[in-house]
Order: sequence, then C-alpha cells, then structure tokens
Amino acid sequence: DTGVSQDPRHKITKRGQNVTFRCDPISEHNRLYWYRQTLGQGPEFLTYFQNEAQLEKSRLLSDRFSAERPKGSFSTLEIQRTEQGDSAMYLCASSEQVDTQYFGPGTRLTVL
Amino acid sequence: KQEVTQIPAALSVPEGENLVLNCSFTDSAIYNLQWFRQDPGKGLTSLLLIQSSQREQTSGRLNASLDKSSGRSTLYIAASQPGDSATYLCAVSGSNAGNMLTFGGGTRLMVKP
Repeated sequence: DTGVSQDPRHKITKRGQNVTFRCDPISEHNRLYWYRQTLGQGPEFLTYFQNEAQLEKSRLLSDRFSAERPKGSFSTLEIQRTEQGDSAMYLCASSEQVDTQYFGPGTRLTVL
Repeated sequence: KQEVTQIPAALSVPEGENLVLNCSFTDSAIYNLQWFRQDPGKGLTSLLLIQSSQREQTSGRLNASLDKSSGRSTLYIAASQPGDSATYLCAVSGSNAGNMLTFGGGTRLMVKP
C-alpha cells in the first residue's frame, strides 16, 4: 500500500516532555501538510512543505512546535515542553501540487 | 479569514433515506472544495473534490454540488446505509498558503438499520 503513513499511532507523555511524530507521504507527492484536530472539531492547519522547503509556518501554534522535511521525503513534527492543551490528533496529508489531499491515520497525543 | 460552517452538526436517519449535508463558507475566493469522511478515531478519507470552476461531482451514491458565489456546497447521499455512519467534513482551499484546507466542524451521521 502506498498511502500516507504516520508513526506512532498513539503517544502518551507527561507534561514537559518533548515528543516527535513522523509522517511518510505518498512517494510521488511533493506537498506535505500537518494539521491538528481536537475532539469534536474539524482539523486545523499547522504548516506545509513543498519538497524540502517549509513554505508556511505562521500557523504553528507556538514556538514549541517545529517541523522538518529533510530531503523532501518524510517529515517530522516536534512539540517541545508539552502541555495538556497539546492533547489532540495530529494529522499529516500529502498531495501532488494543488490536487486532492490524502490523509494519514493520525497520531493521537495524550499529555498527562 | 475564511470560516466554514456545517449544518446540521448531527443527523440520525433510518436506512434507505436520501439525505443532504450542508456546508457554507464566508470567502468565495476558493481554489477547490473537498468532502471527507472520518470514522471514529481514524484519519480522513477523501470522498469528492470540486474545483472552483465546477458545479458538481459524483461518485457512486454521493453527489456534491458547489455554488461558489453564494458560498455553499451540499453533499447528497442516496439510499443511505448503516455503513455510511461517520463524520462528514467539508474543507475549502484558498490560493494562498499552498492550498491549505480550512475545515468545518463536521456533521456526525448515524444511519439506523
């Protein structure tokens, strides 16, 4: 299967710890997006990459959030000094140019 | 700032009914509109994408329409089945920020056998 994959699927951490999530897009897709979804809400855009370039990061929720996409392949999203309010589903999507976005299964983060 | 609203927030129907889900958006300068399905605790599955120049798209029992000037879209589901039970999300993309999607809050659909 060549869909979008995310790892881990679930992460439980204590407040103040750092966490990192990984996203592997569909192989021929040059655009990669990160979204956050809290319970009962629609996803909220965080940032996106075209190849290895991060072209929009102003929507990242605070300076504790950072994302990378080295070599334009997989991407990582890191949250430093986690807070309980960071508990959410983190979704990754990829697309070929401005076409349909295909989403991964998400990483559910619980901060205790 | 683009805002997307979906009505109703929840809907329960008996199996076999035809139903319509509504989506409205405040800024008509969109690039495209997508409808997604989300099962509990899962990621999103793309159902239909309508380009801003199009009026509708069809896939099987699903038909989505777009009226860009009035800022509205509808998703029509024919002959609903219990397997259609899920949350349906509408999302629009603008020409900025690389086609980032702005989502509505979703409609939770329950189709009863």
